Amino acid sequence: NAGVTQTPKFRILKIGQSMTLQCTQDMNHNYMYWYRQDPGMGLKLIYYSVGAGITDKGEVPNGYNVSRSTTEDFPLRLELAAPSQTSVYFCASSLQPNTEAFFGQGTRLTVV
Amino acid sequence: KNQVEQSPQSLIILEGKNCTLQCNYTVSPFSNLRWYKQDTGRGPVSLTIMTFSENTKSNGRYTATLDADTKQSSLHITASQLSDSASYICVAPYSGGGADGLTFGKGTHLIIQP
Repeated sequence: NAGVTQTPKFRILKIGQSMTLQCTQDMNHNYMYWYRQDPGMGLKLIYYSVGAGITDKGEVPNGYNVSRSTTEDFPLRLELAAPSQTSVYFCASSLQPNTEAFFGQGTRLTVV
Repeated sequence: KNQVEQSPQSLIILEGKNCTLQCNYTVSPFSNLRWYKQDTGRGPVSLTIMTFSENTKSNGRYTATLDADTKQSSLHITASQLSDSASYICVAPYSGGGADGLTFGKGTHLIIQP
C-alpha cells in the first residue's frame, strides 16, 4: 500500500538554486495538495489541483510552481531558493475536498 | 477569518494515564472536523472525521467529541501508550470551500513518559 510517496526525504539547497519535489499517489485521487509546515505553525497550503491539467494557488504560493500532467503525479518546483523556503513540505491527496486526506512522509528542505 | 485554536500547546503525561486535547474552531459554514496524528518526522495520519450530526466518534483508544453549538471538539486518549507520543492536529474544512478550504490548527505536542 504505497499511498502518497514523496521524494527526496531531505535536501539542502544553496540560495538561488532550484529543485523539484516529487509527489505521486496510487489511489486514483483527483485532488492533490502541497503544504508547508513551519515550526510551531499549522500547515499552510501552497498549491492544489482538482485533476490532471488543473492547478490553483493556495495561501502561500509565492516562489513555487506546480504542474499536474497526470492524475498520479504532482511535482512542486522551487525556482530560486530562498532561506524563507526552509520548511517541511507535505504532499497530500484526497478523493473529494471534504473527505480524508492522505499525506506523504514529507520533505525536509533547508536553504542556506 | 476561519481559525482553529488548539490547547494545550504541549502536554506531558505518564504512560497509562488518560488525557484530553481541545480544539476550538470558528470555521463557517461547518462541514466536518478532523483529528490527525503526526509522528515526529512523518506526515499526518487521519484519526477521525466528524460531521455536524455526530457528537462522538471512536477509533480504538481515541475518542473525539464535537459540540457544534459551542464550536468545540476534544480528543480523549485512554490508557496512553508510549506510541501515542506525537502531535495531534485539529482540522476544519468549511462547506463549499473547495480544495483550498482546510484550516489547520497548530497542534498539541503530546509526550508520554514511561
